[in-house]
Amino acid sequence: EDQVTQSPEALRLQEGESSSLNCSYTVSGLRGLFWYRQDPGKGPEFLFTLYSAGEEKEKERLKATLTKKESFLHITAPKPEDSATYLCAVLAGGYNKLIFGAGTRLAVHP
Amino acid sequence: DAGVTQSPTHLIKTRGQQVTLRCSPKSGHDTVSWYQQALGQGPQFIFQYYEEEERQRGNFPDRFSGHQFPNYSSELNVNALLLGDSALYLCASSSRTALSYEQYFGPGTRLTVT
Repeated sequence: EDQVTQSPEALRLQEGESSSLNCSYTVSGLRGLFWYRQDPGKGPEFLFTLYSAGEEKEKERLKATLTKKESFLHITAPKPEDSATYLCAVLAGGYNKLIFGAGTRLAVHP
Repeated sequence: DAGVTQSPTHLIKTRGQQVTLRCSPKSGHDTVSWYQQALGQGPQFIFQYYEEEERQRGNFPDRFSGHQFPNYSSELNVNALLLGDSALYLCASSSRTALSYEQYFGPGTRLTVT
């Protein structure tokens, strides 16, 4: 069964303290891995799509990487406005449904 | 360019009632997917519509049904509401002809069943 696991569940950082979020997946025929940011009570905001192992994408303080078994979201010198839940999702097989992990709740304190 | 829109924003219903949620996709998109997100969890796929037909369905009972209109907008209907149906309902739109598989989400409808 296709599965996505994110760790840690919650992460508290000081402003400027870099760290990484992990997304491990077990799927048949990965067609894409997606990272979203979600603020409380809002819909997920699209960040990145990764399609193949070795691929990397960057946006401001965020960098996403992909291997054959997991993806990392690296946050460099985070600011309080980066506080949110970060969701990882995969598209696999012949289906067009996204399979999500439970998310990592990130809190960045000044 | 308007993104994905959903209505209403919030809704309170009583157990056993029926509810209809609405979604307008992003301009240029023809596919709408619905997800249910319980508190503290990731979104769960309910179903997907394109060409006005349900194409894929997740593990949700028949109480959950939908519709897609010729202008690509969509409705999600839930009958015989249960307390466990309380959640954030998200609509995502995408394009079948796009080279990417990206889905863009609306702000969601918060449904509370009492």
